[in-house]
Amino acid sequence: DAEITQSPRHKITETGRQVTLACHQTWNHNNMFWYRQDLGHGLRLIHYSYGVQDTNKGEVSDGYSVSRSNTEDLPLTLESAASSQTSVYFCASSARDRGRGAFFGQGTRLTVV
Amino acid sequence: RKEVEQDPGPFNVPEGATVAFNCTYSNSASQSFFWYRQDCRKEPKLLMSVYSSGNEDGRFTAQLNRASQYISLLIRDSKLSDSATYLCVVRNQGGKLIFGQGTELSVKP
Repeated sequence: DAEITQSPRHKITETGRQVTLACHQTWNHNNMFWYRQDLGHGLRLIHYSYGVQDTNKGEVSDGYSVSRSNTEDLPLTLESAASSQTSVYFCASSARDRGRGAFFGQGTRLTVV
Repeated sequence: RKEVEQDPGPFNVPEGATVAFNCTYSNSASQSFFWYRQDCRKEPKLLMSVYSSGNEDGRFTAQLNRASQYISLLIRDSKLSDSATYLCVVRNQGGKLIFGQGTELSVKP
């Protein structure tokens, strides 16, 4: 069965360290997204990609970067982790067909200490 | 103004009740509409797509009014297992999915 997986599921890191969260999907979807979810803010879009070599900034992209070298993966990098980046991170993918919704990974709970 | 706005929660209802969630969106060029369900900070899961003609899936009915930029979800005969947060989601012309804040539903015995 096709799926979307995130790793790690939980991570604790120190302020200032570079951290990369992995997202891998086997749906062969063109579109991939990264969101963060915090109490009181709902899901906020960090970065998104519509295909290989395409990346775009979302509403809360400062301090984050992504790269899309193949269809399956969209890793999210925190350049220099800050306590404000403590959050739950969700990756999602969707088909190009605009009538289709997205499927989400199980999330990564990141704590920056 | 947020691009997608939902009723503030939480909704506390007894089993068997009918509950309605409302959502409005600001971008008239939005192309697709969905309701998602999220349990206890787990990943959101697609509940149903929403069409202008209205669509039903068992106890769930979704409706879209493009003229009013309004989306609704009706749950009939609510079950304890329906307790969750319901997220209104709009896909814009660029393909981005924009989420509402979510409305928490708690169904009590």
